[in-house]
Amino acid sequence: AQSVAQPEDQVNVAEGNPLTVKCTYSVSGNPYLFWYVQYPNRGLQFLLKYITGDNLVKGSYGFEAEFNKSQTSFHLKKPSALVSDSALYFCAVRDIGSGTYKYIFGTGTRLKVLA
Amino acid sequence: GAGVSQSPSNKVTEKGKDVELRCDPISGHTALYWYRQRLGQGLEFLIYFQGNSAPDKSGLPSDRFSAERTGESVSTLTIQRTQQEDSAVYLCASSLERQPQHFGDGTRLSIL
Repeated sequence: AQSVAQPEDQVNVAEGNPLTVKCTYSVSGNPYLFWYVQYPNRGLQFLLKYITGDNLVKGSYGFEAEFNKSQTSFHLKKPSALVSDSALYFCAVRDIGSGTYKYIFGTGTRLKVLA
Repeated sequence: GAGVSQSPSNKVTEKGKDVELRCDPISGHTALYWYRQRLGQGLEFLIYFQGNSAPDKSGLPSDRFSAERTGESVSTLTIQRTQQEDSAVYLCASSLERQPQHFGDGTRLSIL
């Protein structure tokens, strides 16, 4: 069965410092991996995805994520955090070998960037 | 419009009433998903439509929940005999196959 874990409910970081939001996954086949961001009272916005190819994926707003197959991780990173990055971040996975079209979302990590 | 549109944005109703939530996907998107997001929690998959294939209803929590989609257009999620535990934000997303999902802003449902 597919699963996604975001081990941190909240991450606090000072503005200008690098940030990491962790995600690990479990699928039986090859994964499609995604990061989404949610601002208050809004739907989720797509940040970046890994389908195949380079393990380091660059996305919107300066975010990037590294696919690590051996550690089954897809951590979200940004070199220099902004106060405006404060939001709720979701990791999602789809097992492309399973025949299912379902995406499994993590429980979310609230990022707080302090000025 | 350019994005996924959901209506109403807010719905307050009494326990036991039926509610109908609407989703207008992005034109041309073959896939459509409904999710439930309870306060402070992640997304719970409800149902998936892909083109004219039979929908994947495996996430619907009870037989009070149903959803329809006509072709590749509008979808409606219906909750019958609402209960207080149905209070949540209901999110709709659409996509092309194997592409990122585009989400609407959701319907915030409150059951009194």
